[in-house]
Amino acid sequence: EPEVTQTPSHQVTQMGQEVILRCVPISNHLYFYWYRQILGQKVEFLVSFYNNEISEKSEIFDDQFSVERPDGSNFTLKIRSTKLEDSAMYFCASSPRQALVEQYFGPGTRLTVT
Amino acid sequence: SQQGEEDPQALSIQEGENATMNCSYKTSINNLQWYRQNSGRGLVHLILIRSNEREKHSGRLRVTLDTSKKSSSLLITASRAADTASYFCATVSMEYGNKLVFGAGTILRVKS
Repeated sequence: EPEVTQTPSHQVTQMGQEVILRCVPISNHLYFYWYRQILGQKVEFLVSFYNNEISEKSEIFDDQFSVERPDGSNFTLKIRSTKLEDSAMYFCASSPRQALVEQYFGPGTRLTVT
Repeated sequence: SQQGEEDPQALSIQEGENATMNCSYKTSINNLQWYRQNSGRGLVHLILIRSNEREKHSGRLRVTLDTSKKSSSLLITASRAADTASYFCATVSMEYGNKLVFGAGTILRVKS
């Protein structure tokens, strides 16, 4: 069964450094998402992406964040200058259509900012 | 905020018993979905119920939706130790785009 994959599984970085989290969505899906989950808290929406552009973003997704689909398979989340409060589990998800369907989540990348 | 609360926050039951988790939300929705998360792992989609549906079944799972009360429940029958996980409801509303808005979740522990 096709699945969403994410790399790395765990990333440790120093405050102020740039990180890139990578995702490979399911191949025939058209909608891509990033969510994050701070330890012990709710899963929060960051951004959705369709047709090579951001379709929606949350207030968390400020100028320090960017997303890109550099080729036909990868979907990346970049954090330009990490802060301690960016430490969280980051989940990528994809779906074949926009509405009324489930989203398929990857296993997540645990980002630790020291 | 689009999402409300889930209750209970934590639930501990014996294997073989049924587990019921509840979810409330605040806005009109297109659909409501339930996800499971094993400790430190990704989210697994369990079931989706549309706003015009009242009940849905999938194996040992039964989901109900009451749009007049803006609430949903997830029932897991004949629970197993492997059902131990966190369970989240998430709503989708056209008013808020296609993003999933998650509740705080219920931690379920099934004791064998």
